[in-house]
Amino acid sequence: AQKITQTQPGMFVQEKEAVTLDCTYDTSDQSYGLFWYKQPSSGEMIFLIYQGSYDEQNATEGRYSLNFQKARKSANLVISASQLGDSAMYFCAMREPYNTGNQFYFGTGTSLTVIP
Amino acid sequence: DAGITQSPRYKITETGRQVTLMCHQTWSHSYMFWYRQDLGHGLRLIYYSAAADITDKGEVPDGYVVSRSKTENFPLTLESATRSQTSVYFCASTDRDVDSGNTIYFGEGSWLTVV
Repeated sequence: AQKITQTQPGMFVQEKEAVTLDCTYDTSDQSYGLFWYKQPSSGEMIFLIYQGSYDEQNATEGRYSLNFQKARKSANLVISASQLGDSAMYFCAMREPYNTGNQFYFGTGTSLTVIP
Repeated sequence: DAGITQSPRYKITETGRQVTLMCHQTWSHSYMFWYRQDLGHGLRLIYYSAAADITDKGEVPDGYVVSRSKTENFPLTLESATRSQTSVYFCASTDRDVDSGNTIYFGEGSWLTVV
């Protein structure tokens, strides 16, 4: 079974609109971390936001927020007020520190295009 | 701060040749990883290491060899390169402190083409 599932290969959003990128995860651990990364066309991987499994509030970092629904095992990324520079690949990832030796599992990514 | 660096950044090699991708980090992170990125597959873990002299296989280890004699270095060797190993390779590292939500830090990537 896939540890991280991103079902949207590509998404389009109008500039200044909000967009939600979906991510579901699979784990039997109680303690885990969820991350989102951005990969622009230049190729580097940029850390965006983190949510711990015990955190009761959704994480926010500027225009990024993580909609964490533990019972549904989903960790969707919400980007508010999209900008042209947000066009990139976005990867959801999970860390299981106690179960799998601190491995990070990544989804297949969502390609976001912001339309002017 | 140098962070995590990979070399070479770009490499073209022939089928059957041995290729080594170097990775060096300056943070003294315990954990280091090698991923390959292919369209439609996201990032797949090749090998990882929890500390010097401790390595373990990831999801796609076949055809690759790693070593970690020093904490800061984690080279990846393709013993006999095949066309299916054409990919972008990312080295990454993270700290041992699992409770703080430490992210994984990536190198800039190594673009490898096997012809």
